[in-house]
Amino acid sequence: DTAVSQTPKYLVTQMGNDKSIKCEQNLGHDTMYWYKQDSKKFLKIMFSYNNKELIINETVPNRFSPKSPDKAHLNLHINSLELGDSAVYFCASSRAGGTQNIQYFGAGTRLSVL
Amino acid sequence: KNQVEQSPQSLIILEGKNCTLQCNYTVSPFSNLRWYKQDTGRGPVSLTIMTFSENTKSNGRYTATLDADTKQSSLHITASQLSDSASYICVVSPRSGGSNYKLTFGKGTLLTVNP
Repeated sequence: DTAVSQTPKYLVTQMGNDKSIKCEQNLGHDTMYWYKQDSKKFLKIMFSYNNKELIINETVPNRFSPKSPDKAHLNLHINSLELGDSAVYFCASSRAGGTQNIQYFGAGTRLSVL
Repeated sequence: KNQVEQSPQSLIILEGKNCTLQCNYTVSPFSNLRWYKQDTGRGPVSLTIMTFSENTKSNGRYTATLDADTKQSSLHITASQLSDSASYICVVSPRSGGSNYKLTFGKGTLLTVNP
């Protein structure tokens, strides 16, 4: 069974549209993350939630709004999509606390904005 | 300038050969360093985690070393297999409140293992 699952795997859309990416983890973790991997391949954190509370919000346009209905889910909604939003978005989860907790990543959602 | 630099950018080796990937970081203060493997079209998977007090950590054919004084780490792969073809990413965690949450990723070394 997939530990961290994201849907959809691919998303192609027009500029200006609104879209959502869903993420679910079945590992019993209470911290979840969204990362963006751009064309240069750097992974950069966007958001982190611990027990449904937002704990990290990097410099991300407010067109991006994460929502955590419960500890096992962290969804990402994007309004008014722009060309520069094209990237691969990864969801991850880990146990809270401690600096060595491993982050488990989903397979990624490849977003293409035309 | 990114605080985690990796070299080489890409590497091609023959199956069965060994290789070593390098990581230099400037993240300070430093808590731990991680190596991840990312297969094409997949999310990163953790290989090793080392705290600043550890010098080496092994995971099967993967051995990571750490020199916290020079801020360098290496990942050595022995007896490479075709399935080792992937991007290997060095990740550093700063020593600060909630440091598990804000990791700094390197760009990765793309390794290709040919038969």
